[in-house]
Formats: sequence, structure tokens, C-alpha cells
Amino acid sequence: EADIYQTPRYLVIGTGKKITLECSQTMGHDKMYWYQQDPGMELHLIHYSYGVNSTEKGDLSSESTVSRIRTEHFPLTLESARPSHTSQYLCASSAGGGGILPEQYFGPGTRLTVT
Amino acid sequence: AQSVTQLGSHVSVSEGALVLLRCNYSSSVPPYLFWYVQYPNQGLQLLLKYTSAATLVKGINGFEAEFKKSETSFHLTKPSAHMSDAAEYFCAVSVDSSASKIIFGSGTRLSIRP
Repeated sequence: EADIYQTPRYLVIGTGKKITLECSQTMGHDKMYWYQQDPGMELHLIHYSYGVNSTEKGDLSSESTVSRIRTEHFPLTLESARPSHTSQYLCASSAGGGGILPEQYFGPGTRLTVT
Repeated sequence: AQSVTQLGSHVSVSEGALVLLRCNYSSSVPPYLFWYVQYPNQGLQLLLKYTSAATLVKGINGFEAEFKKSETSFHLTKPSAHMSDAAEYFCAVSVDSSASKIIFGSGTRLSIRP
């Protein structure tokens, strides 16, 4: 059973506000990811981390930032929300390879609407 | 660069009928392939994964997929659809054995008719 949590599940916020989307996992996974998913579209990787103090940008350019101060926690921040940021944000985590192809475990997602 | 194409954004089948969701991949190296399912208002859950150990891969909930290199395909099937199978299904590819970089298809919504 995957134990990866995201809060809030739904967020409606006005333009210009600063927001932080929380993601936590209790599986001790080193790798964590943030994806952006628009309705009916594929997932796009926007950030990933291979461990504490390690963060990288993904394939899709994003104005958001992330931090990884603790293994279990990988928050995503938007300094100034805009309507173009309206989307669903999915957090995921995975263990190291260790010779076995690992799977990514996904949280339930945060649906963000910026008005 | 690797990519995934899912044919048909929406598939509708009758309860008890065969489910076939199509996925074709593009990769310059042997790929690792995945099928994920997403139920409404939930995250993605792994159905099955191909790691080159066997071309026919069995997953959860009665689903299976067959890797066909000559056709660059990894179609998902289930012999008999249940109402509970209604969801969004994503095919994905990675060329990294740590599966850190996964490229997802655009998804296929499966509807089940009573």
C-alpha cells in the first residue's frame, strides 16, 4: 500500500497569491517527483529530486520551485499564482533501483484553480 | 528520444466484453514499459510493467499486456470488462532502469456500458 499524501486536495486561490502544495511519503523513498496534469492530457514532469538537498527541473518548464530538506517531504511553491497555473499537480515517489525496476507511487493530487 | 502514443482517447465497451487499449512506443534503446490506471479524483496506480523478463506481462485486476518489439506495441487487454474498470489508463515508457524519467501517453478513458 502506497503511503504518499498531498494537501490540499483542492485549492481555489486568487491571482498573485503565494501557495505551497504539500507532499509527504512515509516509505523512505529517496526519489520524489512533481507532475502537472491538465484534464484529458498526459502527465508532464516539472520537478524531481533524487535525495535530500537535490532538486532538478523536469521536462516541462514551470514557474514553481521545490525544496527537499527532509527525505519524506517535497513541497512545491508558486510565489505568485496566475490563471495559467490552473491544473492538477501530482506528487510521486520511488525507491532506488537495486536491480529491480521500481515503480513510482502517486499521491491523490492537488487540483489548483487560480481565479 | 522516447515517446508513447495511445490510440483512442476514449474507449467504450459493454460489461463482460473484451477490453483492448492500444499503446505504441518509440525508443532508440530497449524500453521499460508501464500501464497505470487513474480512478476519478485519485492518483495513478501501477497495473503492470514490462522489464524484458517476459513479453506477456500479467498485472492486477485481471489485466495483461504483451510486448511486441516488431510492432513497437504494448497493448493492454482484459478478457471480460467489469463496471469497476471504468477509469483513465496511461501507457508510459522509460529507458532508465531506475525508472526515474517516465514519459506518459495522453491517456485513454475507458467507459463500461451495462
